[in-house]
Amino acid sequence: GAVVSQHPSRVICKSGTSVKIECRSLDFQATTMFWYRQFPKKSLMLMATSNEGSKATYEQGVEKDKFLINHASLTLSTLTVTSAHPEDSSFYICSARNRGEAKLFFGSGTQLSVL
Amino acid sequence: DAKTTQPPSMDCAEGRAANLPCNHSTISGNEYVYWYRQIHSQGPQYIIHGLKNNETNEMASLIITEDRKSSTLILPHATLRDTAVYYCILIAGNMLTFGGGTRLMVKP
Repeated sequence: GAVVSQHPSRVICKSGTSVKIECRSLDFQATTMFWYRQFPKKSLMLMATSNEGSKATYEQGVEKDKFLINHASLTLSTLTVTSAHPEDSSFYICSARNRGEAKLFFGSGTQLSVL
Repeated sequence: DAKTTQPPSMDCAEGRAANLPCNHSTISGNEYVYWYRQIHSQGPQYIIHGLKNNETNEMASLIITEDRKSSTLILPHATLRDTAVYYCILIAGNMLTFGGGTRLMVKP
């Protein structure tokens, strides 16, 4: 089946630094990728939708200057958490879909801890 | 906006069928019903999906009511490894509607 690789799986950083998370579709072309945030024991919360070659669409309440999303190729999308603060600590997950399909393939998630 | 609701938790005895409900009373005609499960600190794993008809695969069965306002995921013979959070998600294009998830605990 289709595989989505997400890296890193865990990152610890100092407050004020920026962190980049990568999401790659390994065996299909992901025309659309989604980024989510998940708090402990809560459901996934959609942050933004990115289409290859165009600007990401952010959900209401998500700061686009804080969470920079780049989807420069059909196999790679990145989420950069800029000037991270402790309240940005969370589990971040990406998902991708193939052209013309609705089924989502999820990455394994990234646990971000900001000290 | 479409909304999905799921019971927060359920228990099931090992070897018995686990029936996980999802209510989506405002579902629109082009929304598919997808089910995923998430084991702690991992990404969600696809289980099954459907539009109108009941579906079955090697993992589970999906029963969708005729009016499509609710669905049930059935794990026919639950094992301890089926302990996870199960999400009902409505998908139409780039519109995603997540349920709150049901934490299924399979007990020996």
